[in-house]
Amino acid sequence: QKEVEQNSGPLSVPEGAIASLNCTYSDRVSQSFFWYRQYSGKSPELIMSIYSNGDKEDGRFTAQLNKASQYVSLLIRDSQPSDSATYLCAENSGGSNYKLTFGKGTLLTVNP
Amino acid sequence: DTGVSQDPRHKITKRGQNVTFRCDPISEHNRLYWYRQTLGQGPEFLTYFQNEAQLEKSRLLSDRFSAERPKGSFSTLEIQRTEQGDSAMYLCASTGGRETQYFGPGTRLLVL
Repeated sequence: QKEVEQNSGPLSVPEGAIASLNCTYSDRVSQSFFWYRQYSGKSPELIMSIYSNGDKEDGRFTAQLNKASQYVSLLIRDSQPSDSATYLCAENSGGSNYKLTFGKGTLLTVNP
Repeated sequence: DTGVSQDPRHKITKRGQNVTFRCDPISEHNRLYWYRQTLGQGPEFLTYFQNEAQLEKSRLLSDRFSAERPKGSFSTLEIQRTEQGDSAMYLCASTGGRETQYFGPGTRLLVL
């Protein structure tokens, strides 16, 4: 059973701080990883995808992937109250069909 | 708005009734996915279409569930003889051959 593990939180950070969200996965052959943001009652919204070891930056967001440790993280710099949401980590665990396996998500609260 | 639409957005039904949901993917996307999300959980894969062919179904998809994608365009997900345990958000996602999936707004089902 392929699994994606996330700390459910809640993670609380002050406005302007760096929020660090972590995710581990069980399938060593996983190649692709995704971070989605989900506001309460809404559907997941893609933030970042990462395929290679190392860091990938997009604006205030940085995704980090370490395949040897089976670990992927998301850093949010200069956190804003509008970043308050549940962050879902997902991996492509289905090979060529690209189906996603999600973690349960981490609830992030950014306090003004 | 990702370009993926779902209808209806909300559905309340009584136990034992049949319900049908529709998903219209981004027009050029040939891959379409259905996921189910319950409170406090990440989305769980239900089924996947490439064009009109249903290529994979999860064990979560009991005999009461059926999905179609006629002509490789929109898709429908039908639940027969609904049970209270079917209450969830049903999410549709599409991709055009790359791995990144874009989600629709979801259909929230409540079975009384």
